[in-house]
Amino acid sequence: IAGITQAPTSQILAAGRRMTLRCTQDMRHNAMYWYRQDLGLGLRLIHYSNTAGTTGKGEVPDGYSVSRANTDDFPLTLASAVPSQTSVYFCASSDTGGVSPLHFGNGTRLTVT
Amino acid sequence: GEDVEQSLFLSVREGDSSVINCTYTDSSSTYLYWYKQEPGAGLQLLTYIFSNMDMKQDQRLTVLLNKKDKHLSLRIADTQTGDSAIYFCAEESGGSYIPTFGRGTSLIVHP
Repeated sequence: IAGITQAPTSQILAAGRRMTLRCTQDMRHNAMYWYRQDLGLGLRLIHYSNTAGTTGKGEVPDGYSVSRANTDDFPLTLASAVPSQTSVYFCASSDTGGVSPLHFGNGTRLTVT
Repeated sequence: GEDVEQSLFLSVREGDSSVINCTYTDSSSTYLYWYKQEPGAGLQLLTYIFSNMDMKQDQRLTVLLNKKDKHLSLRIADTQTGDSAIYFCAEESGGSYIPTFGRGTSLIVHP
């Protein structure tokens, strides 16, 4: 089934550790996004990529990095995790022409202790 | 910058109609979307409307757009318990493919 796959589903991580959240799409969408969802704050954009080889900063990029080596993969890395990064992380993808709704993965629930 | 506002909660009785409201500030919005998020899942597109339309109907869903007031609403007819979820409004401007999301409205349907 076409869509977005995120891994892991959930993770408990000690503060200071490095962690990469994986995201893969098979829809050949140009654009990909990482959001975090926190209670009462809705969705906040962390980083995005309009096409392979390019990335951009969203609303809350500090402490996170991304890469887009190819169309399908868009990993999110926390270089040194802090408790405030405890959240649910969603990866999404979309076309970049005409009506271009986002397609979301099922999320990664990350707890930083 | 752009802003999208929604009320946080709505409680309705099963069988009644639900109306979820959204306001936005970007006058250059091209597309407006409604997404649904069920517990433990990502957001799924529910419906969308072009900014040059006033209304769109899709089975039990009716989207109304008042472009002058920058007000968008989603009406769900004959609301069922399976409609309980968080509903997000999002707007997209013609110059950017990155949507701006509201904080989401939690719809609670009780018997």
